[in-house]
Amino acid sequence: GNSVTQMEGPVTLSEEAFLTINCTYTATGYPSLFWYVQYPGEGLQLLLKATKADDKGSNKGFEATYRKETTSFHLEKGSVQVSDSAVYFCAPTSGGADGLTFGKGTHLIIQP
Amino acid sequence: DTAVSQTPKYLVTQMGNDKSIKCEQNLGHDTMYWYKQDSKKFLKIMFSYNNKELIINETVPNRFSPKSPDKAHLNLHINSLELGDSAVYFCASSQGTGTGELFFGEGSRLTVL
Repeated sequence: GNSVTQMEGPVTLSEEAFLTINCTYTATGYPSLFWYVQYPGEGLQLLLKATKADDKGSNKGFEATYRKETTSFHLEKGSVQVSDSAVYFCAPTSGGADGLTFGKGTHLIIQP
Repeated sequence: DTAVSQTPKYLVTQMGNDKSIKCEQNLGHDTMYWYKQDSKKFLKIMFSYNNKELIINETVPNRFSPKSPDKAHLNLHINSLELGDSAVYFCASSQGTGTGELFFGEGSRLTVL
């Protein structure tokens, strides 16, 4: 089955810093790749996705590029805000009925 | 109107009790899920239903019994609650299986004392 490796958190940055959260995956076939975000006290919500190699997903200033050669889907943002503080989950589709294989999540803390 | 709604949001109960969590989605999706999130935020799928049919039943104690009366509802009943059942339980839905685009409820925090 699929598996995901994400940076261990918490990751603490100052406001306006550059953000990278690494994600590498193992999967059979050609999965679609997703980043989900969980704000405090809420459920997960889809942040961005990419469905094929070299695709770039983007939303709310976040970007991630599907790198098939390195099996990676790193999340980046040029200038983070306090409101970006959340837990971020990388997830490839499993190709099966369960839909997604979630990583362990990376807790991001942005300080003013 | 909340797309995926769960009730109750908080549940505190004693060991050995039986409790239920309800989930409803108004998105017209045909697939619904239950996930368990532990204190370290690790998410594990428990069950998946497609058009009221059980399609995923991960290694979950049989004290956990899901029930889908129709496509828009997926409930979770837990018998004989144990301390280790304390977690946040998330309901989610998607249009079809394997799409990866899930819509989550806000979660139900279960605390077993």
